[in-house]
Amino acid sequence: EAGVVQSPRYKIIEKKQPVAFWCNPISGHNTLYWYLQNLGQGPELLIRYENEEAVDDSQLPKDRFSAERLKGVDSTLKIQPAELGDSAVYLCASSVSAPGELFFGEGSRLTVL
Amino acid sequence: SQQGEEDPQALSIQEGENATMNCSYKTSINNLQWYRQNSGRGLVHLILIRSNEREKHSGRLRVTLDTSKKSSSLLITASRAADTASYFCATDEDKIIFGKGTRLHILP
Repeated sequence: EAGVVQSPRYKIIEKKQPVAFWCNPISGHNTLYWYLQNLGQGPELLIRYENEEAVDDSQLPKDRFSAERLKGVDSTLKIQPAELGDSAVYLCASSVSAPGELFFGEGSRLTVL
Repeated sequence: SQQGEEDPQALSIQEGENATMNCSYKTSINNLQWYRQNSGRGLVHLILIRSNEREKHSGRLRVTLDTSKKSSSLLITASRAADTASYFCATDEDKIIFGKGTRLHILP
């Protein structure tokens, strides 16, 4: 069974540039999460989807961050424009349903210069 | 926001020794999970303990949960070099919230 796939693994951009991260969850997993992880910290929830619906986006900075999960499968997280403080690892996870065991991708490491 | 808080923040032990990590949390929970993260990788689920359970085992892992003290512990017995990683507790109320983690280093 394929795991959660994320791309790109690494991204370096100049501040004020846009960036997008893609996530393909495990087949059949209805719940999809985007987490942000700063160095030396635990993951912090940005947004949770149940199928196509964003059921918890209270921690998503909506002035510059956006996310979508079309057709309830793949998801994209976008930052526009990026700021220096956005440098972090963006983790995608999925689960059969919420709550439950989370399966994480390898993460996308963003460096904003 | 982070609900759980692991203790200690960092731990170095000799290979073969047991490692104990603790997690304290603030509000009532449905269950508590422990995850491991190797450097530069995603998190891997280790074990889930429900709020009505007090202890759970999985291989060399032993997890306890004390809901009256709002705390949990993760014990890794007979540690190996491959156990070197960060360990996170995650509490599940209406959302899954992770602590800051314990960085475990196993010395050869």
